[in-house]
Amino acid sequence: QITLKESGPTLVKPTQTLTLTCTFSGFSLSTSGMAVGWIRQPPGKALEWLSLIYWNDDKRYSPSLKSRLTITKDTSSSQVVLTMTNMDPVDTATYYCAHRRPYRDVFDIWGQGTMVTVSS
Amino acid sequence: SYVLTQPPSVSVAPGQTARISCGGDNIGSFSVHWYQQKPGQAPILVVFDDTDRPSGIPERFSGSNSWNTATLTISRVEAGDEADYYCQVRHDSIDYVVFGGGTKLTVL
Repeated sequence: QITLKESGPTLVKPTQTLTLTCTFSGFSLSTSGMAVGWIRQPPGKALEWLSLIYWNDDKRYSPSLKSRLTITKDTSSSQVVLTMTNMDPVDTATYYCAHRRPYRDVFDIWGQGTMVTVSS
Repeated sequence: SYVLTQPPSVSVAPGQTARISCGGDNIGSFSVHWYQQKPGQAPILVVFDDTDRPSGIPERFSGSNSWNTATLTISRVEAGDEADYYCQVRHDSIDYVVFGGGTKLTVL
């Protein structure tokens, strides 16, 4: 059974860097075809894709946020970490990590999400 | 950027058929995926690769994709289907992963 869970601060100040961790089980990110993605959702708004990291350490970022995002993986710990620099109140959102169906760019299992508020 | 356009809302009576559209330039050339999201919950995948259903998703959920419009069809709508629905594609050349703006399905 695949599960994912996001963790990180619930409140960050403007200009700070956000670090979120996705801890997963039920699969290995060293297995060919596997990938984990991050998606966020501001309150009352639509889903927005942020980043993907693949089993071979290939990485993809949303073009509009690329300069602020870094995604890494720790295969031995079954974790994926997303950092977002220079946080702004508009970045207030629920942040989800999700398992990508092998070799398909579709997210078949999602974490419960973690709400992050950006405020001074 | 590549834009996926969904109607903000769709309303349907119980037992009827709901159709939720997702418009995009030449979307028929991409694989379209659909997610259901109920209030306070994470999204769940209900249709992938235009027409396939993950295990556990009722056959009432189906999809189609042609030319500039993909459609999620929910037959024999139930009260429990009331949710927000999002379409998603991967567009290699532009934004990579793109979500539509979402459609709120209301069961009357």
